[in-house]
Amino acid sequence: AQTVTQSQPEMSVQEAETVTLSCTYDTSENNYYLFWYKQPPSRQMILVIRQEAYKQQNATENRFSVNFQKAAKSFSLKISDSQLGDTAMYFCAFIPIIHQGGSEKLVFGKGTKLTVNP
Amino acid sequence: DTAVSQTPKYLVTQMGNDKSIKCEQNLGHDTMYWYKQDSKKFLKIMFSYNNKELIINETVPNRFSPKSPDKAHLNLHINSLELGDSAVYFCASSRRGNTIYFGEGSWLTVV
Repeated sequence: AQTVTQSQPEMSVQEAETVTLSCTYDTSENNYYLFWYKQPPSRQMILVIRQEAYKQQNATENRFSVNFQKAAKSFSLKISDSQLGDTAMYFCAFIPIIHQGGSEKLVFGKGTKLTVNP
Repeated sequence: DTAVSQTPKYLVTQMGNDKSIKCEQNLGHDTMYWYKQDSKKFLKIMFSYNNKELIINETVPNRFSPKSPDKAHLNLHINSLELGDSAVYFCASSRRGNTIYFGEGSWLTVV
């Protein structure tokens, strides 16, 4: 079974500082995608960043970057220059690449609640 | 233009009632999903459809019946609502296991 573990239920950071959220996963698949989704209090699920497992280069989106360690099955999210609007739940998620459309299940971790303090 | 839209956003109803949540995507995706987020904020897949065909049915009570009239729409009908059905229900879509895009969620409260 595929699982995603986020070991930090809550974290806080001062505005403008850097914070790293951790995520580990367990799978026997070789091809998959990893995601970080952000869920603000409005409960909307917003895609933050995506990483393809076959790419060695870490994904980057503006202030958000990941440290993807495939052998260790680790996928942490680094948020630089934290802003008040970054306050949200962050979910790490995994999906195997299966070539039968619709069979893919996005498996989520339990989330990390991040608070950015002014 | 909203990519994945679901209605209603908020729904309060009594136990025993039947209700539906509608979902539409304008992304041209061939796969649509329903996910449930419980009170502890844990997200779990309920159903997936590919080109109107049910692919995943994840041990959901048969009071929940998805319907896909075409590949741009996936509705969720719930019969005989129970208190434990209170949750946020997310519709989502993707193209062949690529990035999954979520709707804004439908907050269901059963009283």
